Amino acid sequence: QVQLQESGPGLVKPSETLSLSCSLSSGSISSYHWFWMRQSPGKGLEWIGRIYYNGNTNYSPSLKSRVTISIDSSKKSFSLRLTSVTAADTAVYYCARELNWKVDYWGQGAPVVVAS
Amino acid sequence: QTVVTQEPSLTVSPGGTVTLTCASSTGAVTGASSANWFQLKPGQAPKSLIYGTRNKHSWTPARFSGSLVGGKAALTLSGVQLEDEAEYFCLLFYGDDQIWVFGGGTKLSVL
Repeated sequence: QVQLQESGPGLVKPSETLSLSCSLSSGSISSYHWFWMRQSPGKGLEWIGRIYYNGNTNYSPSLKSRVTISIDSSKKSFSLRLTSVTAADTAVYYCARELNWKVDYWGQGAPVVVAS
Repeated sequence: QTVVTQEPSLTVSPGGTVTLTCASSTGAVTGASSANWFQLKPGQAPKSLIYGTRNKHSWTPARFSGSLVGGKAALTLSGVQLEDEAEYFCLLFYGDDQIWVFGGGTKLSVL
């Protein structure tokens, strides 16, 4: 059973950088795309971006200027950095796995509040 | 900016059938859009239901099915159960830009 677990600070100050990690507890990190997504309070899901196991990335155009996704295959984990956060970045952040356009396993989600 | 549109809300009676749709602002949704569908309930992680337009995961109940209808991706629930009350999101792939875009979600009420 593939299990993904997000981790990181639950509170970030405005203008600072949000950093989250997603760890894979079982299964291989190779050959997959790894997604970051979020759901803001009262809103729908938003795709943030993805990273391939070889490090290739794609980002949502609306967030591209502030997002960096990286991967550490040796640790079976990948990370999200979102700079210059505002209250609009308050959300539950999810990681997930995709292979050949099949999104299957998700993490439980990490709530992040942006507030001073 | 690409927009993916879903019905904001739908209501269905227990045992009934309902179809949720997913439209793209760029034109007809095709197989290349590789539509995925997810179920989201409060306090729970999203659950993957459908991938590649019509393929089910091993855990997807048989009453859920995916298709293309009238240039849109569609999710049909047949024999709806009370436990199907949830929000449903579609996710479409845009190969030219190599990005994915979520629909706004459909809140399904079972009454």
